[in-house]
Amino acid sequence: AQSVAQPEDQVNVAEGNPLTVKCTYSVSGNPYLFWYVQYPNRGLQFLLKYITGDNLVKGSYGFEAEFNKSQTSFHLKKPSALVSDSALYFCAVRDKGYQKVTFGTGTKLQVIP
Amino acid sequence: ETGVTQTPRHLVMGMTNKKSLKCEQHLGHNAMYWYKQSAKKPLELMFVYNFKEQTENNSVPSRFSPECPNSSHLFLHLHTLQPEDSALYLCASSQEITQASNYGYTFGSGTRLTVV
Repeated sequence: AQSVAQPEDQVNVAEGNPLTVKCTYSVSGNPYLFWYVQYPNRGLQFLLKYITGDNLVKGSYGFEAEFNKSQTSFHLKKPSALVSDSALYFCAVRDKGYQKVTFGTGTKLQVIP
Repeated sequence: ETGVTQTPRHLVMGMTNKKSLKCEQHLGHNAMYWYKQSAKKPLELMFVYNFKEQTENNSVPSRFSPECPNSSHLFLHLHTLQPEDSALYLCASSQEITQASNYGYTFGSGTRLTVV
């Protein structure tokens, strides 16, 4: 079985400050990890993914995520937050060899001007 | 646009109505999915289709009936819905090459359904 946990329902950060959205996962094998962003009344948009290789993955809109195997974490980060980054962020995991992607419950990011 | 198009964007229907949601993907993907997103709840996977064949039905009530006539189109037929079925319904697609496929899903913008 695979699972994803996003421990924070909401994260507030001031514009210009660094942001982190947390994600931990559980899989029986090797994980494929994803971050998606959802703006109001829209579908989920792909941000970035970790498959293999460097633990630091860079994605769209200046976001990056760090894969930490020992802590089974895949936290989303950005050095300087923008008001337009305010949205709902979903972490997702896929066990290698399985089709199903499991999504976290989502974290609402609020960037305060 | 992501390459996955959902229509209509918004739908209001009575509990006795019959309506259909449509999803079309232009990505050449071979798998399609229906998700339900309700407020303050995790994304719920409803149905999975691989090469037009339904491979997963997550205990979805029979008032929801999926149809996949080809690998590019997916429908969700709705009848005698309940108010608690009001939600954002998301379609997604992916390319499943082998069991080692490392792709994520591409989502449509969703249909906001309100049952009155």
